[in-house]
Amino acid sequence: TQLLEQSPQFLSIQEGENLTVYCNSSSVFSSLQWYRQEPGEGPVLLVTVVTGGEVKKLKRLTFQFGDARKDSSLHITAAQPGDTGLYLCAGYYNTDKLIFGTGTRLQVFP
Amino acid sequence: NAGVTQTPKFRVLKTGQSMTLLCAQDMNHEYMYWYRQDPGMGLRLIHYSVGEGTTAKGEVPDGYNVSRLKKQNFLLGLESAAPSQTSVYFCASSYIPNTSYGYTFGSGTRLTVV
Repeated sequence: TQLLEQSPQFLSIQEGENLTVYCNSSSVFSSLQWYRQEPGEGPVLLVTVVTGGEVKKLKRLTFQFGDARKDSSLHITAAQPGDTGLYLCAGYYNTDKLIFGTGTRLQVFP
Repeated sequence: NAGVTQTPKFRVLKTGQSMTLLCAQDMNHEYMYWYRQDPGMGLRLIHYSVGEGTTAKGEVPDGYNVSRLKKQNFLLGLESAAPSQTSVYFCASSYIPNTSYGYTFGSGTRLTVV
């Protein structure tokens, strides 16, 4: 059973475009994290959101936690080739271990 | 800072062979984890440890064993490798979970079982 579903699974866009990645669940999470993974490397933490409705910005990346703490989104403005990678959401659900989403693979072409 | 170091980075095994994957962290983290990553499956937890001398099963523990004899090291063993264990394995560590710190991951071990 996959608690965290991400969409889309793949995204291929041109430099300068905007995009949104979604992370959805039917379960409530106490917090959600977003990671980015580049080829040949492990995931690296981008942000943690804790409060329902919370919005955090990291340069051109905007993260939002749903009001009911069941979903989250990542919006990238004016994507650049350096944004290419695998984006993973992860949440703490009723345990002390992170549950990871299925991942969204983003390719940004110059 | 080295962070989390995994060895080896690549390995090819024949079915039935055994091997140990090594993970070392220098951040004094209490918690350590072993994940496997397969296409379309995300990261799945194999085993984890909440401190020196402790281990616990994760989501997909069958066919693997672990040991945490020292706080900084977490070993993952495959006693009799099977082709289904072909994957990329990641070790991670963290402070007390459910905080803003998140996990620190190693760079992975790509294992192929033929």
